[in-house]
Amino acid sequence: KAGVTQTPRYLIKTRGQQVTLSCSPISGHRSVSWYQQTPGQGLQFLFEYFSETQRNKGNFPGRFSGRQFSNSRSEMNVSTLELGDSALYLCASSARLAEDQETQYFGPGTRLLVL
Amino acid sequence: GNSVTQMEGPVTLSEEAFLTINCTYTATGYPSLFWYVQYPGEGLQLLLKATKADDKGSNKGFEATYRKETTSFHLEKGSVQVSDSAVYFCALRLMNTGFQKLVFGTGTRLLVSP
Repeated sequence: KAGVTQTPRYLIKTRGQQVTLSCSPISGHRSVSWYQQTPGQGLQFLFEYFSETQRNKGNFPGRFSGRQFSNSRSEMNVSTLELGDSALYLCASSARLAEDQETQYFGPGTRLLVL
Repeated sequence: GNSVTQMEGPVTLSEEAFLTINCTYTATGYPSLFWYVQYPGEGLQLLLKATKADDKGSNKGFEATYRKETTSFHLEKGSVQVSDSAVYFCALRLMNTGFQKLVFGTGTRLLVSP
């Protein structure tokens, strides 16, 4: 089974621009979560989508948004980029089966550099 | 709130040494506990997990036991290899909330020398 894929892998943008990142979950997985990883703040939860609906949102400004399509692929968008948005953005998918069997599988990440 | 505390790194060991990385947690509900590993330039890989008290997760020689009484989930390996050099993250997820959010510790870098 193919793993979680994220595109692009690397991205360079300038302040004020916007960016869209893409995540394709493992086949059959319907839940997609996004995380931001920075040296200063570590790994922080952005949001989770399940069946095209946002189920949970972390403590990030409204410039961070996302969506999920009917095929479970997800995109996240960051508008009006700031230097502090430079980070590794990780996507994770899960099957959302029984609670005690639930596991999130992570993609390789998209490394965003804002200049 | 919910949080995970890990020991500061880096942890530097010689090959075949015994490894312990401490992890303690605070949770408002009933958590599942996880260890993820991140190799340079890569995403996170699930190493092991435990979903209830006294469960032991194990994989690739690594083990961790869910200790509810001490709110801990320490990672151990009897004999580390150079290829184990990576950053290790302890994480929790609250059960029965309907949400998939993982709360991570700050990570512990492990460096194993030959």
